[in-house]
Amino acid sequence: EADIYQTPRYLVIGTGKKITLECSQTMGHDKMYWYQQDPGMELHLIHYSYGVNSTEKGDLSSESTVSRIRTEHFPLTLESARPSHTSQYLCASSEGGLAGGLKNIQYFGAGTRLSVL
Amino acid sequence: KNQVEQSPQSLIILEGKNCTLQCNYTVSPFSNLRWYKQDTGRGPVSLTIMTFSENTKSNGRYTATLDADTKQSSLHITASQLSDSASYICVVSDRGSTLGRLYFGRGTQLTVWP
Repeated sequence: EADIYQTPRYLVIGTGKKITLECSQTMGHDKMYWYQQDPGMELHLIHYSYGVNSTEKGDLSSESTVSRIRTEHFPLTLESARPSHTSQYLCASSEGGLAGGLKNIQYFGAGTRLSVL
Repeated sequence: KNQVEQSPQSLIILEGKNCTLQCNYTVSPFSNLRWYKQDTGRGPVSLTIMTFSENTKSNGRYTATLDADTKQSSLHITASQLSDSASYICVVSDRGSTLGRLYFGRGTQLTVWP
C-alpha cells in the first residue's frame, strides 16, 4: 500500500461553496498529480507538479486550482462548486526521473468522491 | 491521436476460472505499458510494468504480455478469486515529454462469482 492519503473520502456539498481536497504523501516524491474520473471512464489529468512551487494544468480543463508549497502536500481547491464538478478526484505521486521511466510509476491515493448538489 | 482501447468492457467469470483482458494502443513514441487494478471506491494499484524489450511479466496469478510490434497487450488472470473483482486499467506511457505522459484506457470491469 502506497503512503499517499486523500481527505475527505466523500464530500457532499451545495452549489457555490468553496472546497479544498487534501492530498499528502510521505514518500518524498517530487512529482504529484490530480486526476478526475467519472464512472466507467478513463482517468483525466487535471493538474500536475514537478516539485515545490511548480504547478501546471493537465490535459482536461478544470476550474480547480492547486498549490505546492511543501513537497508532501498538494491540495486542490474549487472556489465555487457546481454540479458539473461532481466526480471522483484521485491524487497520485511518483519519483522524478526520465519521462515514462520505471521511476515514474504513479502511486494513487484512495480518492475523494465529490457530489455537488 | 494517442489512444488506449480495452476489451471487453466488462466480464463475469466463476471463481477458479482463468480469463484474459485485452489492450490495444496507438501511443507513440512508446515507453512502457502498465496494468493497474482499481477496486471499487479506491485508487488504482500497479500490477505490472513492461518496457519495449519485455514481452511478458508476471505478478503472482497475473501475467501480462506485450507485443510492441502490433501494439497489443493482454493481462491473464489464473485461478480467479473473489478478490479479483475490480476494474483493470491499461496505461501506456510515452517518451515525448519530461512528465512521462500517461494514456489511460477505460478499464475492463471484472466480476468474479462464487
